Amino acid sequence: QVQLVESGGGVVQPGRSLRLSCAASGFTFSYYTMHWVRQAPGKGLEWVAIISFDGSKKYYADSVKGRFTISRDNSQNTLYLQMNSLRAEDTAVYYCARVDIAWGQGTLVTVSS
Amino acid sequence: QAVVTQEPSLTVSPGGTVTLTCGSSTGPVTSGQYPYWIQQRPGQAPRTLIYDTNNKHSWTPARFSGSLLGGKAALTLSGAQPEDEAEYYCLFSYSGDWVFGGGTKLTVL
Repeated sequence: QVQLVESGGGVVQPGRSLRLSCAASGFTFSYYTMHWVRQAPGKGLEWVAIISFDGSKKYYADSVKGRFTISRDNSQNTLYLQMNSLRAEDTAVYYCARVDIAWGQGTLVTVSS
Repeated sequence: QAVVTQEPSLTVSPGGTVTLTCGSSTGPVTSGQYPYWIQQRPGQAPRTLIYDTNNKHSWTPARFSGSLLGGKAALTLSGAQPEDEAEYYCLFSYSGDWVFGGGTKLTVL
């Protein structure tokens, strides 16, 4: 079955960087667009970024544009989110998703001094 | 970026019918925005119930259906069950960017 497993979350100081990974299995990863979505504590879902099947097209939410970079390695069936210049308001559970069919369990990122 | 608007909360009686809606600040919602409906139960990861307006997965209970209604995307629940109590989010595509609605907290009471 389709499975997505995120990793890389943790506690980081404001202004620092973190890279999230998402390991995909159960489907042909290189065929599908993938998303990152986040959820701040007690809040709703917020779309973060999307990458096309081949990595040629990327789009970002205004709140992360210029600071976050989405990428993928189709040879490793892995999705990434490079997060730079982190702020307190980036604190959230980050989900990778193939939104038509599957979501990961999420990884918590806490930005705090 | 566009704003997607949902009812903040709704209540339905067990066995009853309720319709959740999502409107877009850019105008009528169309099938070209590939409306998704996503369910999130407390403490759980989201799961997609409906994709591309009205398509269901094998795990989507038959009592859920998606449609376009009066310029909005709609999720209708017919025959509500206690396990349907959850937060429901819609998700729209805007030519590259995607936007979630703020979520509807559905109470079955």
